[in-house]
Amino acid sequence: GAGVSQSPSNKVTEKGKDVELRCDPISGHTALYWYRQSLGQGLEFLIYFQGNSAPDKSGLPSDRFSAERTGGSVSTLTIQRTQQEDSAVYLCASSLDGGAGETQYFGPGTRLLVL
Amino acid sequence: GNSVTQMEGPVTLSEEAFLTINCTYTATGYPSLFWYVQYPGEGLQLLLKATKADDKGSNKGFEATYRKETTSFHLEKGSVQVSDSAVYFCALSPGLIFGTGTRLQVFP
Repeated sequence: GAGVSQSPSNKVTEKGKDVELRCDPISGHTALYWYRQSLGQGLEFLIYFQGNSAPDKSGLPSDRFSAERTGGSVSTLTIQRTQQEDSAVYLCASSLDGGAGETQYFGPGTRLLVL
Repeated sequence: GNSVTQMEGPVTLSEEAFLTINCTYTATGYPSLFWYVQYPGEGLQLLLKATKADDKGSNKGFEATYRKETTSFHLEKGSVQVSDSAVYFCALSPGLIFGTGTRLQVFP
C-alpha cells in the first residue's frame, strides 16, 4: 500500500512569509508525528496527534508554528513569519495507534529553505 | 526528561569490519528502543527495535540488545558492507526521542 506522503518536496520562501507543509499518513494509522531535521543536528520532535485526543504540542519551538489534523487523516504544519533558522527538512511519520513500541513510518520530508 | 546519546561520527570502516555504534539513554519508566537508518537520498526507516529489557532486535545482520542495567542499546554488525553506508539514529519512545545520528562510511 501507499506509504506516508508529504508535499511539497521542496519549498523556498522569503523571510517573513508563511508556509504550509502537508502530510498524508498511511491509511488507517491514527497516530501522526511531525519532526524537524536540521543540518548538523538530530531529529527534533515537534507535535503528535493521536485520534481525537488533544495534540501533544510540547516540541513546537515557538508560537509561529502550528499544526492541525483534519478528519483524523491529513495534517498541515504551518510556519508563520518564517525565519532563516526555520530552514530544515520537516518529516512526518505515522503509526497504527501511537503505542510506545510501534514502528513509525516516515515520509520523504519537505526541505524548507528560508532566504 | 528523556534523552538519547549516541556516538558521534563519522565512523569509517573497511568492508567486512566489525561495527559498533554506541547508544545510551535516559528515561523514566520502561521505554521502547529503536534504531532507524537513513540511506543516502532516502527517507528514515526502521532498522530494528526492542520493547523490553533483555530483548534483542535484529535485522539485515544488525543486532542491538536492550540493556536496562547499563541503559544502553548499542548497534552491532559482524561484517559491514559498502551498502550499509548510511546515517543511523538511536531513538526511544514514547515520542520518539532521537539521538543526533551517526554517519557510517564503509569503503571496499
